[in-house]
Amino acid sequence: NAGVMQNPRHLVRRRGQEARLRCSPMKGHSHVYWYRQLPEEGLKFMVYLQKENIIDESGMPKERFSAEFPKEGPSILRIQQVVRGDSAAYFCASSPHPGQPSGNTIYFGEGSWLTVV
Amino acid sequence: GESVGLHLPTLSVQEGDNSIINCAYSNSASDYFIWYKQESGKGPQFIIDIRSNMDKRQGQRVTVLLNKTVKHLSLQIAATQPGDSAVYFCAETVTGANNLFFGTGTRLTVIP
Repeated sequence: NAGVMQNPRHLVRRRGQEARLRCSPMKGHSHVYWYRQLPEEGLKFMVYLQKENIIDESGMPKERFSAEFPKEGPSILRIQQVVRGDSAAYFCASSPHPGQPSGNTIYFGEGSWLTVV
Repeated sequence: GESVGLHLPTLSVQEGDNSIINCAYSNSASDYFIWYKQESGKGPQFIIDIRSNMDKRQGQRVTVLLNKTVKHLSLQIAATQPGDSAVYFCAETVTGANNLFFGTGTRLTVIP
């Protein structure tokens, strides 16, 4: 897990507020993945980005969720008008390679735990 | 379909015993599989991987077995230690895909 930095680690939001989660990939990695994990469940893919491009967002909810990975700065996962069902752990992973992640070259961060009250 | 709100399968073993964690994967086209370990409050950590052209792969204290006929994957941990206590996930993917599909997970508890 070393190197993929996520913040905040814990975030509490009231229903209707916005949540912004940040991910700085490992040095030299230009491919970022976001996954969501509900309690007692496995991780679910949300989106795959390269610098300034969304490559695959097939796992993103159609409304309220967006992601970006600008040329400079961290990747951001943004959730607008949060609802209780958005409460989950959100994990970012990074890789130096495009396309299919290879197990020993994709690294996960420690996660951001969102609680909606 | 997806399961929501179910408790994780659990496995309790005595320290020093061997552990076997099983996973049934869903996509017969998947050709790459990974086992992850997730400790409480942390992100998944890579343990070992295997490609579909193999049926067994060994690492340090861990062995992964793949049975493509029945779409089954297992993780064997030798001489289990208290530090092995965690949730273990298998993940599958298809060459060229952009993402991993994670299984439900198994909670391993090692009894000292």
